[in-house]
Amino acid sequence: EDQVTQSPEALRLQEGESSSLNCSYTVSGLRGLFWYRQDPGKGPEFLFTLYSAGEEKEKERLKATLTKKESFLHITAPKPEDSATYLCAASSWGKLQFGSGTQVVVTP
Amino acid sequence: NAGVMQNPRHLVRRRGQEARLRCSPMKGHSHVYWYRQLPEEGLKFMVYLQKENIIDESGMPKERFSAEFPKEGPSILRIQQVVRGDSAAYFCASSPPGQTHTKEQFFGPGTRLTVL
Repeated sequence: EDQVTQSPEALRLQEGESSSLNCSYTVSGLRGLFWYRQDPGKGPEFLFTLYSAGEEKEKERLKATLTKKESFLHITAPKPEDSATYLCAASSWGKLQFGSGTQVVVTP
Repeated sequence: NAGVMQNPRHLVRRRGQEARLRCSPMKGHSHVYWYRQLPEEGLKFMVYLQKENIIDESGMPKERFSAEFPKEGPSILRIQQVVRGDSAAYFCASSPPGQTHTKEQFFGPGTRLTVL
């Protein structure tokens, strides 16, 4: 059965304290691995798409990487405005299968 | 350059009533997806539509739920005879034409349905 699992469920960081979020997947026919950010009461905001193992993408303090079984979202020197729930999703023939998310809180 | 639009943003219904949720995709996008986020749960796929066609409805409950994306106008998610368990945030996403399984999906702000 297709599955997307994120860890940890929650992460509390001091401002400037770098960390990584994990997304492991078992999805047949994977067509892409997506990362989104979701703020409370809002819709998911697209961050990255990764298509093949070894691929990396960066945006400001965020960097996403992909292997054959998992993806990592690295947050470098986070700021309080990086506080959000980060979602990963695997694409298989159009529909996205989401993990349950990692809630990140960055304190000053 | 408007993003995905959903309305209403909040909807309150009593048990047994009907709920209609609307979604206008981003300009130039021809694919629409509906997802549901139950309290304390992750986003779950419901249905994938193109204009006048349902492509994948594998995530739709078998009864009371239906979706359409007509040639003109927004996509509609319709829930008949709502029950308390339907209370959730319903998100619509859209993607541009092409190879949909590799395209990014852009999400709207969601409709929060509360069933009393």
